[in-house]
Formats: sequence, structure tokens, C-alpha cells
Amino acid sequence: DGGITQSPKYLFRKEGQNVTLSCEQNLNHDAMYWYRQDPGQGLRLIYYSQIVNDFQKGDIAEGYSVSREKKESFPLTVTSAQKNPTAFYLCASSDPGQGAGGELFFGEGSRLTVL
Amino acid sequence: GEDVEQSLFLSVREGDSSVINCTYTDSSSTYLYWYKQEPGAGLQLLTYIFSNMDMKQDQRLTVLLNKKDKHLSLRIADTQTGDSAIYFCAESWDSNYQLIWGAGTKLIIKP
Repeated sequence: DGGITQSPKYLFRKEGQNVTLSCEQNLNHDAMYWYRQDPGQGLRLIYYSQIVNDFQKGDIAEGYSVSREKKESFPLTVTSAQKNPTAFYLCASSDPGQGAGGELFFGEGSRLTVL
Repeated sequence: GEDVEQSLFLSVREGDSSVINCTYTDSSSTYLYWYKQEPGAGLQLLTYIFSNMDMKQDQRLTVLLNKKDKHLSLRIADTQTGDSAIYFCAESWDSNYQLIWGAGTKLIIKP
């Protein structure tokens, strides 16, 4: 079955540590995205990538970094510079040439808690 | 700037219809979407409507679009306990298909 896999589902981090969240897709989608979700707020875009070896900052990129070395993979690193990293992180992918103007397919999310 | 607004909560009785509302500000939107998020999970596309349409119906779901008032609604007929979720409204307005998201409406089903 095609889909997006995020890992880990739950992650605890001490202050000052970097953590990397994994996102893998087998949908053959060119575009991939990382969103942050906080209670009572809409999804906020962290980074997105429209093609391998290219990515752009979203609305809240400070304190985060990404790479896109392979089409299938778009890992997100939450660095110690991110002041309030506790949140639910969602990875998504899309193929803008298909379907509803680029329907987003989401992973199950990763919940990061900073202790 | 672009903004999408939704009420944060809606409570309905099982079997009644639920109507979730959304307002948006960008009149150049191309597509408007409704996504559903069940607890602890990612989002799934529920339905969408082109900006040149007024209504779309899909089984228990009816989407109404009022372009003049920039108002989008999602009606769920015969609401069931499995409809309990957060419903997000989103619009796309540029060629990169970047979405602008509402804060989500939590649908609570009363027995």
C-alpha cells in the first residue's frame, strides 16, 4: 500500500538536544512538506520541497532544518535553536499534477515533547 | 493578508446534521478543501470544491460555497459517532498549491 510513514510516533527530548524526525513516502510524489500543529491553531508550514535537492522555508522555519537527498525521504531536524519545540509534527506529500489541485497526503504525525 | 477562520468547536446530537462553517479572505482561491483529522492521526482529504462551483454533494457530505461572502460550509447528514474529529478548512491560491489553513473545528457528538 502506498503512503507516508513518519517515525517515531512519540519522541522526548531534553533541552539543548537536536532531534530528527523521519518522513518516507512511496507515492512517487515530487512535493513534500513539514507542518507543525499546536492546539487551537491551524497547520503552520515549516519547510517544503518541490523536487529532490531543493527546499524552501515556510512560515516558521527558524530553528528547523531539512534535507531532500532522495525523492522518497524528507527528514526534519528540530535544533536546539527552536525555542518552543513541543508540538505535533505532520509530514505530507503531493503531486500537483494530479487530483484536487495537489491533494496533500499526510503521515500519522510525530509528537515531540521537550522535557 | 490571507486568513481562514473557523469556529473551534461544534456539538451536535447523533443523527442530526452538522454544519461546519469557514470564511476565507482571498478571492483568488482556486480550490477549497475540507480535511478530517481523527485523534492522534494525520489529516485526510474529505472533499474539495473548485472555486467556480457553488455546491458539491458526496453521499452524506454537502459542500456549499458562497463566493460573494467568501463563505464555505460542510454539512454532514445523519451525524455518527465515527464523525467525531477535527475538520480543517483550507484554500489554495497560488501555482505552488500552498495551502492556507483554518484552525480546525472539533466536532463533538452527543448521544
